[in-house]
Amino acid sequence: DAKTTQPPSMDCAEGRAANLPCNHSTISGNEYVYWYRQIHSQGPQYIIHGLKNNETNEMASLIITEDRKSSTLILPHATLRDTAVYYCIVYTGNQFYFGTGTSLTVIP
Amino acid sequence: EAGVAQSPRYKIIEKRQSVAFWCNPISGHATLYWYQQILGQGPKLLIQFQNNGVVDDSQLPKDRFSAERLKGVDSTLKIQPAKLEDSAVYLCASSLWRKETQYFGPGTRLLVL
Repeated sequence: DAKTTQPPSMDCAEGRAANLPCNHSTISGNEYVYWYRQIHSQGPQYIIHGLKNNETNEMASLIITEDRKSSTLILPHATLRDTAVYYCIVYTGNQFYFGTGTSLTVIP
Repeated sequence: EAGVAQSPRYKIIEKRQSVAFWCNPISGHATLYWYQQILGQGPKLLIQFQNNGVVDDSQLPKDRFSAERLKGVDSTLKIQPAKLEDSAVYLCASSLWRKETQYFGPGTRLLVL
């Protein structure tokens, strides 16, 4: 059962930052927030994860609110190849529960 | 580093036939997962292995689905007999250990007619 809520779709202009929100109001203290994306006809691709602190890697940044009830994935300079379904997952340590994700379309 | 390998990539069968999917995880990864992804939905875990032992198969329809990982490396998922509602993408993932980041293969797309 998905423990996250995401908007079904979003658009972003190429070259601009894409900010993808996720609500996880029932998250527990030791549960991680993971983000994956799935480009059409491919398997999900790991992007980033975090527990309490904000995280950044070569792909994206993850901003987690202080109360941990929501987070935002930031793609700093979106390209057409970032068009995909983005999944926000609360990892219980037992299994990943994927929701239906956000379909991000990057527009030229 | 090679990723998770799966074969075949596509399979079309008729209902009541059997089918098998193969997965080779990333080298050294002890944990292996099989997911089912129905069109328009997120992946759903079917079974999780730790080395060659089953950790969680609570969502595996055991009357028709079976999976094994005999030597703790590659794995096979079988459906026998297939139903129309089994049409989906079957994804394999692996992680270094339990509770670690999972890495997914490209999936096998199954169509049951």
